[in-house]
Amino acid sequence: DQQVKQNSPSLSVQEGRISILNCDYTNSMFDYFLWYKKYPAEGPTFLISISSIKDKNEDGRFTVFLNKSAKHLSLHIVPSQPGDSAVYFCAASFGNEKLTFGTGTRLTIIP
Amino acid sequence: DAGVIQSPRHEVTEMGQEVTLRCKPISGHDYLFWYRQTMMRGLELLIYFNNNVPIDDSGMPEDRFSAKMPNASFSTLKIQPSEPRDSAVYFCASSLSGGGSRTQYFGPGTRLTVL
Repeated sequence: DQQVKQNSPSLSVQEGRISILNCDYTNSMFDYFLWYKKYPAEGPTFLISISSIKDKNEDGRFTVFLNKSAKHLSLHIVPSQPGDSAVYFCAASFGNEKLTFGTGTRLTIIP
Repeated sequence: DAGVIQSPRHEVTEMGQEVTLRCKPISGHDYLFWYRQTMMRGLELLIYFNNNVPIDDSGMPEDRFSAKMPNASFSTLKIQPSEPRDSAVYFCASSLSGGGSRTQYFGPGTRLTVL
């Protein structure tokens, strides 16, 4: 049973535009959410996170939104740059260090 | 500071052989995680340790898989005997508890190919 779902395997966005990556979860006990970015032949790297007590967290070009009632979070990248082309994973946790990851979305930024 | 170190980076072996993957976590981190990445399941948690003690191995697919953490700076994931369906990228990650961030730091991965 996939508790964290990324329903879009891929996404293409024009350079300079906004990229929106989506993630849905089923477990209402999750209290912390993270986004990771992964380049080919490298391990995932932490990008941004949000606690369930917030509905928005911003870090430079990256903003994560959390809608608890819909069990949905999204990552906004504005403006999108070629270096943002990567696979993005969302992850969720409840109460401890264990993370449950989604299957990832491959983002391609078109110059 | 050195990040998480994994070896080997690539491993090609034949079906039935024993495979050992190695991981050195970030110094001072008290949690260590082993993941497998596949197209179908994304990043799948296999097992994790806290202070060298296995906490949850429910993700280990079969008895052919085993993991150990003999000390705070070293862990192994062993597959014996290996099968072609074990071909995947295996990641090790570590984290430091407390502070509430729950951020895990990943190694570069080991790409395993079983022929």
